[in-house]
Amino acid sequence: DAGVIQSPRHEVTEMGQEVTLRCKPISGHDYLFWYRQTMMRGLELLIYFNNNVPIDDSGMPEDRFSAKMPNASFSTLKIQPSEPRDSAVYFCASSLNGPSLGTLHFGNGTRLTVT
Amino acid sequence: SQQGEEDPQALSIQEGENATMNCSYKTSINNLQWYRQNSGRGLVHLILIRSNEREKHSGRLRVTLDTSKKSSSLLITASRAADTASYFCATAPNTGGFKTIFGAGTRLFVKA
Repeated sequence: DAGVIQSPRHEVTEMGQEVTLRCKPISGHDYLFWYRQTMMRGLELLIYFNNNVPIDDSGMPEDRFSAKMPNASFSTLKIQPSEPRDSAVYFCASSLNGPSLGTLHFGNGTRLTVT
Repeated sequence: SQQGEEDPQALSIQEGENATMNCSYKTSINNLQWYRQNSGRGLVHLILIRSNEREKHSGRLRVTLDTSKKSSSLLITASRAADTASYFCATAPNTGGFKTIFGAGTRLFVKA
């Protein structure tokens, strides 16, 4: 299994631009999570999906952030317009609802820099 | 707000020594997990302990859980330079769902 795949690995953009981060979860996993990691705030849960349906988006910082999961094998996190304070590493993780209840499998992240 | 808080924030030890990291959390939980993160990479799951378990082992890892004190510890025995990484505890609060929340992490440095 290839694991959770995120793209791009690095993104540098100017303030005001739209940014789209992509994630392919592990096949068969029911849950998909988006986290943001910064030195100041650590790992923050932004949103998570179950069977492609958003369950909890209370961690999404502002309306500039949106996430979609059009099918079981693809999710996007979009920031429009981007701001310098959005600079962080964004992680996608997936999980299988079963005996390993709650174990998350992470991608290697997208490092976003907004100038 | 973060659910778990690790202690210490950073730990430096010699190869061969044991490393102990602690985690405290605030609310009732379904389970507690420990993850490891190497620089520039995603987190990797190490071990999960359920709320009705008190101790669990996996290779050189030993995890304890004290639900009365809302705390957990991760012990790495006979540490190696390759164990150098950040270690995070994560909890799933007992409010339903899979809202896994991570602590701030402990940065472990093992000197060869």
